[in-house]
Amino acid sequence: DGGITQSPKYLFRKEGQNVTLSCEQNLNHDAMYWYRQDPGQGLRLIYYSQIVNDFQKGDIAEGYSVSREKKESFPLTVTSAQKNPTAFYLCASSELGRRLWQFFGPGTRLTVL
Amino acid sequence: GQQLNQSPQSMFIQEGEDVSMNCTSSSIFNTWLWYKQDPGEGPVLLIALYKAGELTSNGRLTAQFGITRKDSFLNISASIPSDVGIYFCAGPRSQGGSEKLVFGKGTKLTVNP
Repeated sequence: DGGITQSPKYLFRKEGQNVTLSCEQNLNHDAMYWYRQDPGQGLRLIYYSQIVNDFQKGDIAEGYSVSREKKESFPLTVTSAQKNPTAFYLCASSELGRRLWQFFGPGTRLTVL
Repeated sequence: GQQLNQSPQSMFIQEGEDVSMNCTSSSIFNTWLWYKQDPGEGPVLLIALYKAGELTSNGRLTAQFGITRKDSFLNISASIPSDVGIYFCAGPRSQGGSEKLVFGKGTKLTVNP
């Protein structure tokens, strides 16, 4: 089955620690995205990548970093510089020619204690 | 920038009732998307609209692209308990030469059996 996987589903970290969230897709999509969701809020774009070894900042990139070494993978690192990291993180992907048709993973809920 | 306003923020209805929600923008959109997010999961695309005045159905769901191109509507007929979730509208915006999605804050639907 084709799809997007995010792991783990729940993640707990101590304040001051960096943490990396995994996102893998086997849809052969070129574009991948990371969103952050807070209660009662819409999805806000953190980073996106349209091609391997290239990525762009979204609206709230501060305190986050990404890499795109493989087409299938787009990991997100939440650094200690992110002031309010506790949130639900969603990864998505799309075909390059159909960027608006984004398919989402199941999300990772990060709690920083 | 482009923002999407969804109303109502939340709805509490009885099973079997019809539901209506809308999404408005101060800017013109050329595409409207409606997503549903089940609790604790990633959003799933329900309906995409591409033309002003377009009316599209997906089972019990019907969405319309407003004539002014600044709004869209989603209706659910004969609601059932599994309709529970958050419904997001989304539309494209241009940034840095590429097109990305902007999301509304969602309408949270609760269906009482």
